[in-house]
Amino acid sequence: DTGVSQNPRHKITKRGQNVTFRCDPISEHNRLYWYRQTLGQGPEFLTYFQNEAQLEKSRLLSDRFSAERPKGSFSTLEIQRTEQGDSAMYLCASSQGQRGFIDTQYFGPGTRLTVL
Amino acid sequence: GENVEQHPSTLSVQEGDSAVIKCTYSDSASNYFPWYKQELGKRPQLIIDIRSNVGEKKDQRIAVTLNKTAKHFSLHITETQPEDSAVYFCAGRSGAGSYQLTFGKGTKLSVIP
Repeated sequence: DTGVSQNPRHKITKRGQNVTFRCDPISEHNRLYWYRQTLGQGPEFLTYFQNEAQLEKSRLLSDRFSAERPKGSFSTLEIQRTEQGDSAMYLCASSQGQRGFIDTQYFGPGTRLTVL
Repeated sequence: GENVEQHPSTLSVQEGDSAVIKCTYSDSASNYFPWYKQELGKRPQLIIDIRSNVGEKKDQRIAVTLNKTAKHFSLHITETQPEDSAVYFCAGRSGAGSYQLTFGKGTKLSVIP
């Protein structure tokens, strides 16, 4: 499968614990995005990377959230001191990032986080 | 920032009929509008997209129209089939070098055989 992959697919944690998710983009895609999706809502943008540089961050991304893409390939999203309100599906997407107008974002299957 | 509103939230049609989903956006600088289909428990998948300099685009049974003046765009599905049943999301991308997508809240389409 050459699509975007995410691990783990499901994570159950207790309130106050830290969690980390991983996203592997489509090979040679320069841009990588994180979104959060709650039940009955569309995906909400969290942050995006151009290679290893984090270029945009949403106001939704509180100080407890941090994302990295150290070598411009895979990315990790860490949530510290989880709260019940963090329960959601965390989606990763990647795009080619070539010069030009259309830059289709391809989504991964998501990591479903449940905070007890 | 960009705000995208989507209507209706649910839509039921008989197999073979057409379905229309409408979205409005707030940022007049937005330049790209994709539509994603999400089946239960699966990832969002792009079905069609349109640039701001194009008024209409078709791909077999699916078409998207854009009215820049009114700041709205619509998805049209003709000859609906049961496998079209899913949640559909519209999205907009602001100009000025931003690549984030702002999504609508989704439309749950049910195609009744």
